[in-house]
Amino acid sequence: AQTVTQSQPEMSVQEAETVTLSCTYDTSENNYYLFWYKQPPSRQMILVIRQEAYKQQNATENRFSVNFQKAAKSFSLKISDSQLGDTAMYFCARGTLGRLYFGRGTQLTVWP
Amino acid sequence: GAGVSQSPSNKVTEKGKDVELRCDPISGHTALYWYRQRLGQGLEFLIYFQGNSAPDKSGLPSDRFSAERTGESVSTLTIQRTQQEDSAVYLCASSRGQEGEKLFFGSGTQLSVL
Repeated sequence: AQTVTQSQPEMSVQEAETVTLSCTYDTSENNYYLFWYKQPPSRQMILVIRQEAYKQQNATENRFSVNFQKAAKSFSLKISDSQLGDTAMYFCARGTLGRLYFGRGTQLTVWP
Repeated sequence: GAGVSQSPSNKVTEKGKDVELRCDPISGHTALYWYRQRLGQGLEFLIYFQGNSAPDKSGLPSDRFSAERTGESVSTLTIQRTQQEDSAVYLCASSRGQEGEKLFFGSGTQLSVL
C-alpha cells in the first residue's frame, strides 16, 4: 500500500503557541521524499517543508520543523510561535519523482 | 508566467456534458501534474507529464478522463460525459522535473456537476 495517514482532521492552537501535526505513511521503497504542504482558502498549495528520507537530520524552515522517524514511518510537523496566517489545511505527502501520495489533511486554526 | 495558471476558476456543468480544464505551467518547467481533490479529501494523483516522455496516466479513474500536453507548455484535462462524482477541485502543478523537488500549484478549477 502507498498510504499516507493524518489522524487529526482538525487542530487548534493559540497564537504564539506551538502545535504538532502528525503523519504516518506506508511504503516499501527505501529512498523517497516527504513533504508538508499548506492550503489556505485560496486553494493554492504551498510547500512548507521537505525531508529527504536518506537524511537522518530533521529539516527545519524558520518556525517549521519536522520529526522524521524512518523506522516508524512517521513524519510530524511542528509549528512554533504560531501565527494567525498559519491557519490553513495542512497536507502530508510522500513520493519520489512524479507521483505524490497525499494524506487527507489537518485543518489548523490559530486563534488570537 | 509568474505562476501556474488554471482556467476556468469555477465550472458548473450538467451531467453528461464534456468539460475541458486548462493549465498553463511556469515557463521552463518540464514536468506537469494533475490532481483531483474531492471535498474533505486529500489530493488524488491523476496524470504526470515529463518532457517528451510518455505520460504516467496510472491515476486516471476511468476512460472518460484524458489529458494532453503540447511540448512543455499548456495542458488540458478533458472529462467526457461528466458524472456527479466528478465534482471536485482539479489542481495542476508544474516543476523542473527533478526528483524530490517542490511542486508549484495553481489555484485549481472547482468543477460542479449538477
